[in-house]
Amino acid sequence: DQQVKQNSPSLSVQEGRISILNCDYTNSMFDYFLWYKKYPAEGPTFLISISSIKDKNEDGRFTVFLNKSAKHLSLHIVPSQPGDSAVYFCAASTPRYKYIFGTGTRLKVLA
Amino acid sequence: DGGITQSPKYLFRKEGQNVTLSCEQNLNHDAMYWYRQDPGQGLRLIYYSQIVNDFQKGDIAEGYSVSREKKESFPLTVTSAQKNPTAFYLCASSIAGGTEAFFGQGTRLTVV
Repeated sequence: DQQVKQNSPSLSVQEGRISILNCDYTNSMFDYFLWYKKYPAEGPTFLISISSIKDKNEDGRFTVFLNKSAKHLSLHIVPSQPGDSAVYFCAASTPRYKYIFGTGTRLKVLA
Repeated sequence: DGGITQSPKYLFRKEGQNVTLSCEQNLNHDAMYWYRQDPGQGLRLIYYSQIVNDFQKGDIAEGYSVSREKKESFPLTVTSAQKNPTAFYLCASSIAGGTEAFFGQGTRLTVV
């Protein structure tokens, strides 16, 4: 049973436009949500996170929104740059600090 | 430099052999994790450890074993009981009750 879902396997966006990556979860016990960026044959790199008590967190071009009632979070990248092209993983952590990952969305930013 | 180190980067194993993947961290993190990534799939949790001498099974622990004798080290053994071991293996660590987990660069295991 997939507790963290990323339903869009891929996304293409023009350079300079907004990229929106979505993630849904089923477990209301998750208390922290994270986004990671990953290149092939490398480990994921932490991007941004949000606590379950907040609904928005912003860091430069990256903003994460959390809608607890819908069990949905999204990552906004504005403006998108070609260097943002990678696979993005959504993750959720439990109070016992176990991280559950989604299946990833491959973002391609077109120059 | 603080970080998390996985070795080797590439590993080849013959069918029927056990193999051990190394993971070392000098971040003074209490918790460590092993994940597996298959092509086109997400990261699936194999084992995790919140404290020395203690570890728990993740979602796909069958055919794997771990030990946590030292805080800095969390080796993963892929046994011959693992039916499909070819994958990209990722180790991570975090502070207890912390926010983000930090990942190593991964080990690609190929069964030949």
